[in-house]
Amino acid sequence: SQQGEEDPQALSIQEGENATMNCSYKTSINNLQWYRQNSGRGLVHLILIRSNEREKHSGRLRVTLDTSKKSSSLLITASRAADTASYFCATDRGGSARQLTFGSGTQLTVLP
Amino acid sequence: NAGVTQTPKFRVLKTGQSMTLLCAQDMNHEYMYWYRQDPGMGLRLIHYSVGEGTTAKGEVPDGYNVSRLKKQNFLLGLESAAPSQTSVYFCASSYFPDRGRPPQHFGDGTRLSIL
Repeated sequence: SQQGEEDPQALSIQEGENATMNCSYKTSINNLQWYRQNSGRGLVHLILIRSNEREKHSGRLRVTLDTSKKSSSLLITASRAADTASYFCATDRGGSARQLTFGSGTQLTVLP
Repeated sequence: NAGVTQTPKFRVLKTGQSMTLLCAQDMNHEYMYWYRQDPGMGLRLIHYSVGEGTTAKGEVPDGYNVSRLKKQNFLLGLESAAPSQTSVYFCASSYFPDRGRPPQHFGDGTRLSIL
């Protein structure tokens, strides 16, 4: 079963605008990760936020985590056409699970 | 540095045929994973390995077998392919986790169609 659910499923914006994607999950987690997938390619890790962190930045990426609401958001600022891709959140429940559970993804299209 | 390499990239099988997907990583990672990705869904874990000679079941293991005879290779086998196994298969690898889960590194996938 899917641990994470992304919202929206698809997002289309103009170059230069900000893009926000949300992820909700069901159980307690050790950390949450965001991945990007270009068409026809594998996933690439973007950023990891631990359960005791509330916000994290990496370049044009900003991730927030609200463990009380079991939700996370990924903000991409000043988007570029090259940001067009699918974005997935993945939760790590820690312990002996040793695996990531992926959401269904958000398809982001940035129009030039 | 090639990272994670999957072979083949595309394959078409008939129902009942068998095949093996190969994953090779050159990063000396301890952990390796096989996922499948279906339209409108995220990745689902099939099997994984925490070291050479070890394997474990993931979320959707039925119909698949795996082997990790060498640290750098992780093989996924379909003994009798079924149309429901039509999917894109991704292999990933990572270091042994210490304070958290390091990022998984992914191959570019194998697109498998079962007729």
